[in-house]
Amino acid sequence: KAGVTQTPRYLIKTRGQQVTLSCSPISGHRSVSWYQQTPGQGLQFLFEYFSETQRNKGNFPGRFSGRQFSNSRSEMNVSTLELGDSALYLCASSPTGTLRETQYFGPGTRLLVL
Amino acid sequence: GENVEQHPSTLSVQEGDSAVIKCTYSDSASNYFPWYKQELGKRPQLIIDIRSNVGEKKDQRIAVTLNKTAKHFSLHITETQPEDSAVYFCAASISGGSYIPTFGRGTSLIVHP
Repeated sequence: KAGVTQTPRYLIKTRGQQVTLSCSPISGHRSVSWYQQTPGQGLQFLFEYFSETQRNKGNFPGRFSGRQFSNSRSEMNVSTLELGDSALYLCASSPTGTLRETQYFGPGTRLLVL
Repeated sequence: GENVEQHPSTLSVQEGDSAVIKCTYSDSASNYFPWYKQELGKRPQLIIDIRSNVGEKKDQRIAVTLNKTAKHFSLHITETQPEDSAVYFCAASISGGSYIPTFGRGTSLIVHP
């Protein structure tokens, strides 16, 4: 099976803009989680989608949002970008998102906000 | 919410030595504790995990121990090899449904040949 893929891999934006990142899970996986990784804050959970519904959400402002499509592909959107949003954004997929399953990470999208 | 502290932030060992990374957590409801390895420029990968009904788990050269009373868990790597060099993250999550992890800040392990 193909692994988790993310597009784009690199992105440069300026403050105030918005950005949309895409994640395609492993075929058959219906749970997609998003994480932000920064040198200062480490790895932080953003949200999880399952069957097109946001099932869980981390402690991030409303500027961070996402959605999931019927084919399980997921997008996350960040509006009104701030310098502090510069980070590696990782998505991970698993069959149903339970603890019995291993999450498989994508390669990440590196976002730089200028 | 949950808070996970991880130490040390950097660990340098000689090839063949053992390495130990420790994490403490704050929420007594957490009962699932995975460890991830992230090599430079690569994605995190789950290497081992432990649940609260188990005190220790081993997988070849790696092991994880859990002390629920003290709210800490540790990763042990024996006979380290240069390819073990990476950043290791611990996490804690409440089980009973979805996986919502809180991560430690990571430990950069350097194994010198």
